[in-house]
Amino acid sequence: AQSVSQHNHHVILSEAASLELGCNYSYGGTVNLFWYVQYPGQHLQLLLKYFSGDPLVKGIKGFEAEFIKSKFSFNLRKPSVQWSDTAEYFCAVSPGGKLIFGQGTELSVKP
Amino acid sequence: DTGVSQNPRHKITKRGQNVTFRCDPISEHNRLYWYRQTLGQGPEFLTYFQNEAQLEKSRLLSDRFSAERPKGSFSTLEIQRTEQGDSAMYLCASSAGDRGYEQYFGPGTRLTVT
Repeated sequence: AQSVSQHNHHVILSEAASLELGCNYSYGGTVNLFWYVQYPGQHLQLLLKYFSGDPLVKGIKGFEAEFIKSKFSFNLRKPSVQWSDTAEYFCAVSPGGKLIFGQGTELSVKP
Repeated sequence: DTGVSQNPRHKITKRGQNVTFRCDPISEHNRLYWYRQTLGQGPEFLTYFQNEAQLEKSRLLSDRFSAERPKGSFSTLEIQRTEQGDSAMYLCASSAGDRGYEQYFGPGTRLTVT
């Protein structure tokens, strides 16, 4: 069955620290890949997406992600986090149509 | 049109009652999706429509759940004979294009079954 695994359930960082959140998926065919973010009290928002082409994609607010096909991974990175990045982050894959989400990673950034 | 809207935002009901939620997608989007999210988990796919056609339903969706999208505009999700296990956030999303592309989410309807 198709699945998405996010390795970190809760990450705590200080401001200016670098961030990397892991995401692995299980699906043999072509997929579209996404990272969504949910800030406290807000709805899910798209952070970045990968459909094809350059495996290094840039999103909003300085986030980027790298698609490594051989590892079935799509890790999220940010060189220097801010307190305002405190949120829950969800990796998702779409083989077509529906999204299959990971369980999410809660990021807490200490000022 | 500023985004996907959902009503009501909160619903408290007693076990055994029926509830109905509404979702209004972004106006030019032809695909509409329903997801369910429980605490500490990612959203879980329930069903989706392309225009008025329901293209896929999750095997996890019991017969008590039904969704419609008349005329390919707004959609309703009904849960009959609610159970405490139905307590969750019900999310709606919409997207444009036949391949789905990125989905835009509404604020959700939080259901509490007592």
